[in-house]
Amino acid sequence: RKEVEQDPGPFNVPEGATVAFNCTYSNSASQSFFWYRQDCRKEPKLLMSVYSSGNEDGRFTAQLNRASQYISLLIRDSKLSDSATYLCVVNGWAAGNKLTFGGGTRVLVKP
Amino acid sequence: ETGVTQSPTHLIKTRGQQVTLRCSSQSGHNTVSWYQQALGQGPQFIFQYYREEENGRGNFPPRFSGLQFPNYSSELNVNALELDDSALYLCASSPPTGKNTEAFFGQGTRLTVV
Repeated sequence: RKEVEQDPGPFNVPEGATVAFNCTYSNSASQSFFWYRQDCRKEPKLLMSVYSSGNEDGRFTAQLNRASQYISLLIRDSKLSDSATYLCVVNGWAAGNKLTFGGGTRVLVKP
Repeated sequence: ETGVTQSPTHLIKTRGQQVTLRCSSQSGHNTVSWYQQALGQGPQFIFQYYREEENGRGNFPPRFSGLQFPNYSSELNVNALELDDSALYLCASSPPTGKNTEAFFGQGTRLTVV
């Protein structure tokens, strides 16, 4: 079993619609959680950190469920520019900053 | 721009050769991590350097090795290249503020082994 698992998609989303997807992680000792965005053939960039209480950044909402060991990302009012691969990232390494990535969920927003 | 720069951006090597990839970390960052991202997959942790010492390693063979220099820049060396080593190699630097901080990625080096 992979440490971090994601639905690879693609999620085909009409412009203006809402899309949500999850990722699950296997290490219950994981300490911090992130969503990164990666555009085609580019480096990953931090979209948002995920806090236990849930957090929102504009049209993006992230949730963490430690009991069930999953993280979710919801995108409201999708824009064409939201088309990308969204990487779920878990940091479970007490001694450093080793990030464990999921395989990514591809989102395609269409007019 | 993250301030993390990698060189070269693209590279083609022949199976069995050796390659060195370079990374300049963001100013003030003393931790550098290297990741391998194969096509269609998420990045996989190779190893991390902190203050010039290896500070953890992923599931990669010994032919993957690295260095960190006093200015915190870093190199990734891969010996005896295999076709499966073809991937995007990403360097990420982190500030010295402890664990669980954001990692800033360079643009990557795309390595093709033929």
